Amino acid sequence: SQQGEEDPQALSIQEGENATMNCSYKTSINNLQWYRQNSGRGLVHLILIRSNEREKHSGRLRVTLDTSKKSSSLLITASRAADTASYFCATDKGSNDYKLSFGAGTTVTVRA
Amino acid sequence: GAGVSQSPSNKVTEKGKDVELRCDPISGHTALYWYRQSLGQGLEFLIYFQGNSAPDKSGLPSDRFSAERTGGSVSTLTIQRTQQEDSAVYLCASHRGPGQPQHFGDGTRLSIL
Repeated sequence: SQQGEEDPQALSIQEGENATMNCSYKTSINNLQWYRQNSGRGLVHLILIRSNEREKHSGRLRVTLDTSKKSSSLLITASRAADTASYFCATDKGSNDYKLSFGAGTTVTVRA
Repeated sequence: GAGVSQSPSNKVTEKGKDVELRCDPISGHTALYWYRQSLGQGLEFLIYFQGNSAPDKSGLPSDRFSAERTGGSVSTLTIQRTQQEDSAVYLCASHRGPGQPQHFGDGTRLSIL
């Protein structure tokens, strides 16, 4: 079942601009992960943020987590055409339960 | 291998037939998961294997679905008497242990005619 929702459902930006997408979830979590999916391919892991962390960076990616609001955001800076993909957040509950619950995803199109 | 390997990449079969989907996880990863991605349902969990523990089958949609993991490595997902609503991409993932990122294969695209 879907844990939460992502916002927006779709995003179109110009190359070089920043892209921000949000993820909300419903129940307490242990970890939150962001994945990228290019059309017809598997999921590529981007960042994992733990429930006791508030912000994490990896290259051009910045993830924030607000457990009080049950939400996370993914920021992609200086976007490139290769960033065109669908982005999903996924959560697990921990305590021997690490199966992932996914959001519906945000489709990002970066125009050259 | 370097990543999670799934086969076949694509499978087309007639309604009512049985299918087997294979997943070869990353070497040394103790946990293996199956997920399904379909247009109507998004990404949903199916089943989870962790070491020698009993699998978590809570996501399997019906008793036509089963999975096994032999020798703690390769896993096979079997769908019996396939129905058109089984059409989806079936994704396998593995990870090293609790709290570690899950790494996904490219999936098997299953089409039921």
